[in-house]
Amino acid sequence: AQSVTQLDSHVSVSEGTPVLLRCNYSSSYSPSLFWYVQHPNKGLQLLLKYTSAATLVKGINGFEAEFKKSETSFHLTKPSAHMSDAAEYFCVVSDLDSSYKLIFGSGTRLLVRP
Amino acid sequence: NAGVTQTPKFQVLKTGQSMTLQCAQDMNHEYMSWYRQDPGMGLRLIHYSVGAGITDQGEVPNGYNVSRSTTEDFPLRLLSAAPSQTSVYFCASSPSSGKGWDEQFFGPGTRLTVL
Repeated sequence: AQSVTQLDSHVSVSEGTPVLLRCNYSSSYSPSLFWYVQHPNKGLQLLLKYTSAATLVKGINGFEAEFKKSETSFHLTKPSAHMSDAAEYFCVVSDLDSSYKLIFGSGTRLLVRP
Repeated sequence: NAGVTQTPKFQVLKTGQSMTLQCAQDMNHEYMSWYRQDPGMGLRLIHYSVGAGITDQGEVPNGYNVSRSTTEDFPLRLLSAAPSQTSVYFCASSPSSGKGWDEQFFGPGTRLTVL
């Protein structure tokens, strides 16, 4: 069965410094992997997705993630944090073969200090 | 396009009451789903539908019913509310099959409190 582990429940960075949000997954098949962002009191928005093409995936707002099969990881990065990046981020996995079901990680809350 | 809309935004129920959370989308998406979000647990799938007239259970279906009579609407019914159903509920839709590689578009959520 597939699963997702987000290694940090909270991450705090200063504005202008790099962001790293960590995600490890477990999947029996070649997975589709996503990062979604949720700003306070809002719905979720797709940041980026990996579906077995290029291992380095670029998303919106300067975010990118690298799929590393050997490490079963899909960490989210951004070179320079902006105040507007403060939000909750979810790593999500879905098996390509079958399931219509997305499996969500527990989320990482990103705090950006001025 | 309004995207995915949900009503109401907030609701307070007493234990044992029933209610329906409404979800509609105007993107002609075949796939729609309901999730609940609880602190520290991410989102969990309640029910989903791959087209009008077709529904199936997700990870946490107990206490909830759904139906899909049209492509646009996917209401979620709480039959007899319990405090354990206090949560934030999100509806989502996805084009074509809704299979793993499709982006899901989320509504703004309904915050439900059961006393």
